[in-house]
Amino acid sequence: QQQVKQSPQSLIVQKGGISIINCAYENTAFDYFPWYQQFPGKGPALLIAIRPDVSEKKEGRFTISFNKSAKQFSLHIMDSQPGDSATYFCAARDNAGNMLTFGGGTRLMVKP
Amino acid sequence: AAGVIQSPRHLIKEKRETATLKCYPIPRHDTVYWYQQGPGQDPQFLISFYEKMQSDKGSIPDRFSAQQFSDYHSELNMSSLELGDSALYFCASSSSGREETQYFGPGTRLLVL
Repeated sequence: QQQVKQSPQSLIVQKGGISIINCAYENTAFDYFPWYQQFPGKGPALLIAIRPDVSEKKEGRFTISFNKSAKQFSLHIMDSQPGDSATYFCAARDNAGNMLTFGGGTRLMVKP
Repeated sequence: AAGVIQSPRHLIKEKRETATLKCYPIPRHDTVYWYQQGPGQDPQFLISFYEKMQSDKGSIPDRFSAQQFSDYHSELNMSSLELGDSALYFCASSSSGREETQYFGPGTRLLVL
């Protein structure tokens, strides 16, 4: 049973377009929501993270939108570039421990 | 900036053999996490240590054990290896306190034949 549900599983976007990845969770004890980017054969690298008391956070071309009442959060990648092609994971951490629960991942391909 | 170091990067073992994976956290990080990632899957939390004590336990098989040493490096010991143990094993580290980001290492790719 996936505690963090991520969609879509794969995404193809044209260069310069907006990539949108969505995640939903059920556990109201989650209090920290990071997004990780992973290239093949590499470890996940933190992109951006948000806490439930904030509805939006922007860092460069990456924006997280957070809807606490709906228990949903999303990653927007503006002006998507071929170099953004990677697998993106949303994750969540509950207030009882430090372990991360990951979503299923989204494989993004940005076409030139 | 120094990153998490994992060794070996690749490991090939036979069924029923034993493997030891090592993780060296970022300097001044005192918390280490182990994750297992199967092909095309998301990372699954195995176990974590804070100040050499086990802090959280996830879906780690009884055949696996881990510990954190006085220099904060950690080792994941895997015995009676099975084909299904073939995966990428990531170590992540963070500094003390619940607010800190987990930084992942490059992973160890384990193949069990």
